[in-house]
Amino acid sequence: EDKVVQSPLSLVVHEGDTVTLNCSYEVTNFRSLLWYKQEKKAPTFLFMLTSSGIEKKSGRLSSILDKKELFSILNITATQTGDSAVYLCAVERGSQGNLIFGKGTKLSVKP
Amino acid sequence: SQTIHQWPATLVQPVGSPLSLECTVEGTSNPNLYWYRQAAGRGLQLLFYSVGIGQISSEVPQNLSASRPQDRQFILSSKKLLLSDSGFYLCAWRLHGVNTEAFFGQGTRLTVV
Repeated sequence: EDKVVQSPLSLVVHEGDTVTLNCSYEVTNFRSLLWYKQEKKAPTFLFMLTSSGIEKKSGRLSSILDKKELFSILNITATQTGDSAVYLCAVERGSQGNLIFGKGTKLSVKP
Repeated sequence: SQTIHQWPATLVQPVGSPLSLECTVEGTSNPNLYWYRQAAGRGLQLLFYSVGIGQISSEVPQNLSASRPQDRQFILSSKKLLLSDSGFYLCAWRLHGVNTEAFFGQGTRLTVV
């Protein structure tokens, strides 16, 4: 059965800390891995990763994929209270390209 | 630009009552459409997806059904709600093909009482 596992499930840090969120997967016919940020309602897209070892970066956020070991990490440096959210990892699979989501990591950044 | 509308934002319904949640997309044609449910403390579970008008695929057996009467309209329904149908329902769209991200609506918080 296809699955996506995120860790930790929750994390509390202080402003300025650096955090690493993990996502491992077992999926048939892997296409890509995506990261989303969900603050209140609609998840918003962060990154899409298709190739191993190529870091994607946007401001203080970066992510990388390892297709051999079947995992990805999302790094956030110099965290701010606005980074508090649930971060969702999803894997695109199969001919239809449907997304399978992990349970998410709830990040709380305290002032 | 593309936008996705989902309504209502919140809904409280008694057990046994019917359900209809609607989702519409603007600014694109022939999108893939999805209904997800997010239970507390859990990730997004794919319920239904559609690659075209009248084409519905179900990912999990359940008390719900979906329909796509128009190209950019996706409806989630139930004839009789169960307590276990409570949750946060999200509609999403993607372009056809692979390696494309999904864009989500604002969601509907459904509480069955």
